Amino acid sequence: EAQVTQNPRYLITVTGKKLTVTCSQNMNHEYMSWYRQDPGLGLRQIYYSMNVEVTDKGDVPEGYKVSRKEKRNFPLILESPSPNQTSLYFCASSSDRSTNEKLFFGSGTQLSVL
Amino acid sequence: AQKITQTQPGMFVQEKEAVTLDCTYDTSDQSYGLFWYKQPSSGEMIFLIYQGSYDEQNATEGRYSLNFQKARKSANLVISASQLGDSAMYFCAMRERGSQGNLIFGKGTKLSVKP
Repeated sequence: EAQVTQNPRYLITVTGKKLTVTCSQNMNHEYMSWYRQDPGLGLRQIYYSMNVEVTDKGDVPEGYKVSRKEKRNFPLILESPSPNQTSLYFCASSSDRSTNEKLFFGSGTQLSVL
Repeated sequence: AQKITQTQPGMFVQEKEAVTLDCTYDTSDQSYGLFWYKQPSSGEMIFLIYQGSYDEQNATEGRYSLNFQKARKSANLVISASQLGDSAMYFCAMRERGSQGNLIFGKGTKLSVKP
């Protein structure tokens, strides 16, 4: 089954404790992206990657890192989480960045930073 | 300026009736795609329907149709014969040629279907 898998589904942590949210897709997609969703703001892009070893900042990249060492994986790293990073996070992928390609989304990770 | 505007934060519809969710967009690109996603209370993002900027006919997918008015830059979602399971958040989104693949979202409309 074609899917984007992200883990964990829920995560509670404390300020400053490094964490990684994993994301993997099994569709051989070139394009992958991370979004955060906050009430009243919709979804906003954090980082994206157009292919292996090619990553770039989205609209709200501060406080986050990503890597793309393999085509299927695109982890999101919070090196020193802060309470304002409490949010619902989504990983997404598409075959490429074409305007007619839909994004496939993971199930989401609800992160709470205390 | 917002690229995607959804002016209805919340809406109610009676079961079995049709409902229209509004979406307007702003772009200077000639090539772009418009998408609607559904987010039920469980949180996942479910793709509903797509409309390309060069498509001359309105997109349809089962009970979902997209009322695309290019000159007005609007892409309203029409859900026919509403069901209780349609209660969810609905997001309009756009992918522009110049956006490096970013899917730009509106703030969403919460639809509640009444029995």
